[in-house]
Amino acid sequence: NAGVTQTPKFQVLKTGQSMTLQCAQDMNHEYMSWYRQDPGMGLRLIHYSVGAGITDQGEVPNGYNVSRSTTEDFPLRLLSAAPSQTSVYFCASKRRGPRGTGELFFGEGSRLTVL
Amino acid sequence: KQEVTQIPAALSVPEGENLVLNCSFTDSAIYNLQWFRQDPGKGLTSLLLIQSSQREQTSGRLNASLDKSSGRSTLYIAASQPGDSATYLCAFDGQNFVFGPGTRLSVLP
Repeated sequence: NAGVTQTPKFQVLKTGQSMTLQCAQDMNHEYMSWYRQDPGMGLRLIHYSVGAGITDQGEVPNGYNVSRSTTEDFPLRLLSAAPSQTSVYFCASKRRGPRGTGELFFGEGSRLTVL
Repeated sequence: KQEVTQIPAALSVPEGENLVLNCSFTDSAIYNLQWFRQDPGKGLTSLLLIQSSQREQTSGRLNASLDKSSGRSTLYIAASQPGDSATYLCAFDGQNFVFGPGTRLSVLP
């Protein structure tokens, strides 16, 4: 059981370049989300999705785009990378059930450096 | 806005000690509470999930409790081992998960 899979694990970009971080889950989870983790800032929510075709902004959405065309995949796009986007990015998913249910599962992270 | 704090920020104990990690939140309208472990350079591993109708959960040497009325959760680790060294994060699920800053634990042999 693969769980939540993120690719790539490491990436170096130059300022202004674009790229997509991939996230896939094989647990048929309706809810998927992207976080960034920075020293001293903790984990902050970028975007999330409660099902295919539905996305919404989190706490720090600027500079990032998402789409959800299938239940399994939730890619995160950086359209024009900036040094401030240097971070470790985590994808997470959970079953969307009644309130108070749903354990959150994380991928192993993608470490992005923007020069 | 939900805010989550964790005390202490860092903790160093000798092997074999029982220890308590604390997590506090400001908004009582939470549903799930989840504790995670993060090893350096790794992702987050789920340790315990307390659902809204529960007050505590146990897994092996770990016990987590939730008191919504006081806005607190506690993670108890019994008979600590060097392999327990990691950062422990709590997270509250309201509309979305909100994470605490973590407690960095070192268990010395």
